[in-house]
Amino acid sequence: DVKVTQSSRYLVKRTGEKVFLECVQDMDHENMFWYRQDPGLGLRLIYFSYDVKMKEKGDIPEGYSVSREKKERFSLILESASTNQTSMYLCASSLLGLWATEQYFGPGTRLTVT
Amino acid sequence: DQQVKQNSPSLSVQEGRISILNCDYTNSMFDYFLWYKKYPAEGPTFLISISSIKDKNEDGRFTVFLNKSAKHLSLHIVPSQPGDSAVYFCAASLTSMGAQKLVFGQGTRLTINP
Repeated sequence: DVKVTQSSRYLVKRTGEKVFLECVQDMDHENMFWYRQDPGLGLRLIYFSYDVKMKEKGDIPEGYSVSREKKERFSLILESASTNQTSMYLCASSLLGLWATEQYFGPGTRLTVT
Repeated sequence: DQQVKQNSPSLSVQEGRISILNCDYTNSMFDYFLWYKKYPAEGPTFLISISSIKDKNEDGRFTVFLNKSAKHLSLHIVPSQPGDSAVYFCAASLTSMGAQKLVFGQGTRLTINP
């Protein structure tokens, strides 16, 4: 079974803090993704990576950065957390290939910025 | 600009009856469509998908229908069971840099009543 794990289930941070969200997958997937889920908005793509050290902006990258130093690990960084970044953050991974549409999700990190 | 829309935030169905969840999209370049199911405090899990060249795909109690001319897809669950109560997201796939990016709808909360 594919397993995607996220470092924290719940996180509370203060405005202005630097926040790191970690994601690890164990299936040797090339692609990794970070989403945020908000009520009424569904899942929105923040960043994705299709290879080590490669990254592409998603639909809402502002205020975020990412790092992928190893194939299995993809980190989301909030340089200076703000209250509008309070959300559920979901990491996902998938195989490379035009037919590989299915993404496997981690359990999510509920981040609260006060 | 919401490219994938689920216009019903919630749906309530009697156990044993058919559940029909709907999804509309605007981008004719989407090549795959997927449905995900999400329980509280868990990440979304893949349910069923359909290629843009097909109009129907069936897997057990779940059937997805695609009407390309109307840019509409639907998920039918027959018969509905209490364990089907969850939030359902439809997603559409676009290829970018070798990765299949998913664009998600807002989600529909399905409640199955005993």
